[in-house]
Amino acid sequence: DGGITQSPKYLFRKEGQNVTLSCEQNLNHDAMYWYRQDPGQGLRLIYYSQIVNDFQKGDIAEGYSVSREKKESFPLTVTSAQKNPTAFYLCASSILGGGYTFGSGTRLTVV
Amino acid sequence: AQSVTQPDIHITVSEGASLELRCNYSYGATPYLFWYVQSPGQGLQLLLKYFSGDTLVQGIKGFEAEFKRSQSSFNLRKPSVHWSDAAEYFCAVGAKAGGGADGLTFGKGTHLIIQP
Repeated sequence: DGGITQSPKYLFRKEGQNVTLSCEQNLNHDAMYWYRQDPGQGLRLIYYSQIVNDFQKGDIAEGYSVSREKKESFPLTVTSAQKNPTAFYLCASSILGGGYTFGSGTRLTVV
Repeated sequence: AQSVTQPDIHITVSEGASLELRCNYSYGATPYLFWYVQSPGQGLQLLLKYFSGDTLVQGIKGFEAEFKRSQSSFNLRKPSVHWSDAAEYFCAVGAKAGGGADGLTFGKGTHLIIQP
């Protein structure tokens, strides 16, 4: 079955470290997205990509970076510049004009 | 800028009772509207969506929603809730131009509690 796979499910980061969250989809969707979820805040868009080798900043891109070298993959790096990275991160994909499919999320905790 | 307001942070409903979750949006053009459900520690599952046409849309799990342009609302309803409906519900709006590929804007969610 097609879907989106996020890994790892849980991730721990030390202060000053960069960490990379994986997102892979086999739905042949063109667009992919990263959202951050904090309690009581809903979901906020970090980055999105409509085609390979192109991506755009969302509402809260500072301290994050992405790449889109393959259609299936859209990894998110949380850099040391992100001062408050503890959150639940959700990856999604869509066809243009269609609904969104979400992964099961990665919970990142700073230790 | 587009925005979504879900006025109720928490709602408690007795099992078997009817449910209505409110959603108001702000968007300059015809919006794409969505309702998603999230169980704890999980991703979001699409319940239903509105793009155009009939303003009353049917979704999965017995949910429906009605688009009211004059009120800028897209309220979610279910005639009889089950204990398994307890979850977080999110309303979202996207841009019609570009097919929504520039990302959805989400409300802050409504936490649904089901009383036995």
